[in-house]
Amino acid sequence: DTAVSQTPKYLVTQMGNDKSIKCEQNLGHDTMYWYKQDSKKFLKIMFSYNNKELIINETVPNRFSPKSPDKAHLNLHINSLELGDSAVYFCASRLGQGRNEQFFGPGTRLTVL
Amino acid sequence: QQQVKQSPQSLIVQKGGISIINCAYENTAFDYFPWYQQFPGKGPALLIAIRPDVSEKKEGRFTISFNKSAKQFSLHIMDSQPGDSATYFCAASTGGNQFYFGTGTSLTVIP
Repeated sequence: DTAVSQTPKYLVTQMGNDKSIKCEQNLGHDTMYWYKQDSKKFLKIMFSYNNKELIINETVPNRFSPKSPDKAHLNLHINSLELGDSAVYFCASRLGQGRNEQFFGPGTRLTVL
Repeated sequence: QQQVKQSPQSLIVQKGGISIINCAYENTAFDYFPWYQQFPGKGPALLIAIRPDVSEKKEGRFTISFNKSAKQFSLHIMDSQPGDSATYFCAASTGGNQFYFGTGTSLTVIP
């Protein structure tokens, strides 16, 4: 009965590699987000999709590319990983239609060596 | 530029006491102000939220006080319990698309 799920939970990789994080929500929500939480726990929005359409694209290096194959999924692909990409990445979803409650996934801890 | 400023950074409260966390904002277009609770290793979870047309909202031991003219809002946790020990984030949003988070407050409730 998981609402927002992410895989993998942990990801350890070398600099320069390419990796993907997957997110799925079974809440029937229209809007999905990717957030980055740094080592100081600061949460910053990266991307937002509404009904598979990109609506927010913050100042994020173009090595990060989101992809929404359908309304229930939002994946994040990262090319040429750098040390500074190490963080916890959270997926979230929101119903939309005037409802603002966000539901977060459990996070993916990415460590770049 | 930090859109939402949160204080204090950390807070230690005795069991049974009141925990108070404050946030301030500048953008008067914000129309939704949620508070999130995050335990270690978990994602943030929505605790309580308020819209600017009300000055207070209470849910159980958690209360949001909202001062529109001062552009400030705060979270009060009454009868704080050790299980409330977590990091708390305030946030603000316009239309529910773009969310700006505060820097977080680490709350420790000691028995």
